[in-house]
Amino acid sequence: ETGVTQTPRHLVMGMTNKKSLKCEQHLGHNAMYWYKQSAKKPLELMFVYNFKEQTENNSVPSRFSPECPNSSHLFLHLHTLQPEDSALYLCASSQEHSNQPQHFGDGTRLSIL
Amino acid sequence: QQQVKQSPQSLIVQKGGISIINCAYENTAFDYFPWYQQFPGKGPALLIAIRPDVSEKKEGRFTISFNKSAKQFSLHIMDSQPGDSATYFCAASRGGGATNKLIFGTGTLLAVQP
Repeated sequence: ETGVTQTPRHLVMGMTNKKSLKCEQHLGHNAMYWYKQSAKKPLELMFVYNFKEQTENNSVPSRFSPECPNSSHLFLHLHTLQPEDSALYLCASSQEHSNQPQHFGDGTRLSIL
Repeated sequence: QQQVKQSPQSLIVQKGGISIINCAYENTAFDYFPWYQQFPGKGPALLIAIRPDVSEKKEGRFTISFNKSAKQFSLHIMDSQPGDSATYFCAASRGGGATNKLIFGTGTLLAVQP
């Protein structure tokens, strides 16, 4: 496999469920990102990890919990989500130096019932 | 000051025509300006990027024009093709850190009619 792979592609969950989104990159990058994409809104940066260390938390509610066990894998743990959390969640990776291109996965379409 | 304003929201162009999408920013510390292309069901893909030390960058049919004094940059797609129909996002970031904190525009939905 090449590039950035996200699973699952689609997820429907109730507000009381706990689920996790997974991202894996095969590009040898050291920085990984979670974004939220909602209709008619700019992509919102949620979290940034650099060499497995979280370097950015963009005021994301605690019901979203990221985990980065190594430079190739990134998870987003979800619990007690709200209907407004329904969106496309995108993972990206890049080299660790500033202004390097970010490579995106195809996202997980999340629907909260 | 962190916003990037993008226009138009949607654009319809005839095959062979020129598509133009504009973006404006406020933060003069931004020094990296990429454009991303997103097809339905796919993640954004880097199309072309520019730094403020040049006023124009061309890659094939895609050109970025950059006006530092006006704090504006635009994407021009020459000889637009139906396969170019997608959503285009401009973005900006400030260097100096170890990672990119990209600020995205709201996107432009381009439809190229055959």
